[in-house]
Amino acid sequence: AQSVTQPDIHITVSEGASLELRCNYSYGATPYLFWYVQSPGQGLQLLLKYFSGDTLVQGIKGFEAEFKRSQSSFNLRKPSVHWSDAAEYFCAVVEVDSSYKLIFGSGTRLLVRP
Amino acid sequence: EPEVTQTPSHQVTQMGQEVILRCVPISNHLYFYWYRQILGQKVEFLVSFYNNEISEKSEIFDDQFSVERPDGSNFTLKIRSTKLEDSAMYFCASSEVPEAFFGQGTRLTVV
Repeated sequence: AQSVTQPDIHITVSEGASLELRCNYSYGATPYLFWYVQSPGQGLQLLLKYFSGDTLVQGIKGFEAEFKRSQSSFNLRKPSVHWSDAAEYFCAVVEVDSSYKLIFGSGTRLLVRP
Repeated sequence: EPEVTQTPSHQVTQMGQEVILRCVPISNHLYFYWYRQILGQKVEFLVSFYNNEISEKSEIFDDQFSVERPDGSNFTLKIRSTKLEDSAMYFCASSEVPEAFFGQGTRLTVV
């Protein structure tokens, strides 16, 4: 079975600083990878996705992520964090079997210092 | 833009009662899902539904849970006899494989 690991439970950055959230996955073939953001009490908003092709993908709100097959990673980055980016971030991979279900990581909570 | 809609947004129920959570998936999608998120935890897969039957279910999805697509548009999750530990956010999703589109969730509180 596939799995997703987000090693950082919490990350705190200052507003305007750069951000990198880590995600590692386990899957033999090329995975379908996603990053979602969730504000408290809210639903899941898709930030970006990777299916194939260019390994650097751009998403909404100025986020980008880079797929590195050799490291089994799909880290999320943003060059300059805004206070409104404070939220929970989930990395996920599609398990390509009979159901194409999503396997989520445990999430990273981002706190932004003014 | 098509979207997945879930009703109600919040539901409070007494322990032992039956609840039905409703979802309207995107009309041309073929795969439908329910996920659960207990407060402060990650999102967990419950069940997938394809071609009018369950294609996969997790260990969480025991006999007290059931899903149905009664009329070709709605997709429901029924919990027969709710327990305190069923309190969670429940997300419905439909998929244009491999991308899933999520509803805004139903927050279920069992008291």
